[in-house]
Amino acid sequence: NAGVTQTPKFQVLKTGQSMTLQCAQDMNHEYMSWYRQDPGMGLRLIHYSVGAGITDQGEVPNGYNVSRSTTEDFPLRLLSAAPSQTSVYFCASSPGTGRGYQPQHFGDGTRLSIL
Amino acid sequence: EDKVVQSPLSLVVHEGDTVTLNCSYEVTNFRSLLWYKQEKKAPTFLFMLTSSGIEKKSGRLSSILDKKELFSILNITATQTGDSAVYLCAVIRQGGSEKLVFGKGTKLTVNP
Repeated sequence: NAGVTQTPKFQVLKTGQSMTLQCAQDMNHEYMSWYRQDPGMGLRLIHYSVGAGITDQGEVPNGYNVSRSTTEDFPLRLLSAAPSQTSVYFCASSPGTGRGYQPQHFGDGTRLSIL
Repeated sequence: EDKVVQSPLSLVVHEGDTVTLNCSYEVTNFRSLLWYKQEKKAPTFLFMLTSSGIEKKSGRLSSILDKKELFSILNITATQTGDSAVYLCAVIRQGGSEKLVFGKGTKLTVNP
């Protein structure tokens, strides 16, 4: 059971560089989301998707793009990295409300440092 | 704006102690409150509470929701060092949205 898989686990970037954080789930979940976790701030929602082809913004979307071309994958793109985006990023998925609410499963996170 | 406040932010106890973690919320169209445990990596689901006054239990952990006073508590009895973690509270709204609003978490340290 792979569950929610995030890659890479760690990454160091320079300011202005771009990169994509990968998230894949093998549970056929409709709902996927990205959160960032900063010290003392809890988890904050960046973007989410309720199904392939449908995405929407969360609480802190600026500086990030997402797309959902397949049910399994939900990559998060940093277009021009800034030191303020240094954080731990978590991807999560759940079956979707059509099957009654079920709690989200989280990946192990990507620790991103931007110099 | 939805708000979830957890207290205390950190707590240090000795093995065998009983602890109570608090979570209060202000949410439009509240549906459910969830508790997660986060050790080194991914948050893992503990409880989901939707109805007021009904206690959920799992081993030494239990939780209850008060929808009138807008809070929940998570109790851990006979704490063990393996209970050391950050405990996260989150709420979800009615209306089909799956979006979670998290509190900042309570960091629990259980010393031998």
